[in-house]
Amino acid sequence: DQQVKQNSPSLSVQEGRISILNCDYTNSMFDYFLWYKKYPAEGPTFLISISSIKDKNEDGRFTVFLNKSAKHLSLHIVPSQPGDSAVYFCAASAGTTSYDKVIFGPGTSLSVIP
Amino acid sequence: DTAVSQTPKYLVTQMGNDKSIKCEQNLGHDTMYWYKQDSKKFLKIMFSYNNKELIINETVPNRFSPKSPDKAHLNLHINSLELGDSAVYFCASSQALPGLGELFFGEGSRLTVL
Repeated sequence: DQQVKQNSPSLSVQEGRISILNCDYTNSMFDYFLWYKKYPAEGPTFLISISSIKDKNEDGRFTVFLNKSAKHLSLHIVPSQPGDSAVYFCAASAGTTSYDKVIFGPGTSLSVIP
Repeated sequence: DTAVSQTPKYLVTQMGNDKSIKCEQNLGHDTMYWYKQDSKKFLKIMFSYNNKELIINETVPNRFSPKSPDKAHLNLHINSLELGDSAVYFCASSQALPGLGELFFGEGSRLTVL
């Protein structure tokens, strides 16, 4: 039972353009969402998060949008740079419940073409 | 100065053997985790410890036994290794309890069972 879905296994974008990575979830109890970035042979690193009380959170070139009614979130990277090429994991938790685990999606591999 | 370090990075062994993976974090975090990334690239939580106390124990075969000698260390011992145990195992830590805040991951330990 896949509670966090990333339906695009891969995405290619030209340098300087916008990258949009999508994520859908099924558990309506999720109220905290995170994006992680992973380079080959390294562990995932935290990128940006959003609480369900917000619909947008921005950090430099990275913006996460949350649509609770659609159970959908997206990560926008503008402008995309070659160094952004990595696997991006969407993750979610029912964060207000102690000891609730973070559920990860399967990841989307982003290639930014120079 | 690695924040979350795990050893070994690569481990190749025969079916039926027993092996251990060690993890240490120098971030002063109270919570540590083991995640497994399988062949389909899903990151799935296995265990979580908070201040040496087991707080999350997913449906994992009891051949897997975590041990936390102190809050900076979380080791994973696997008995009677099977082919299906081949995966990348990630250790992680967080300041907050599971479900809240970001995770800091180690580089991963790739286990190959022949």
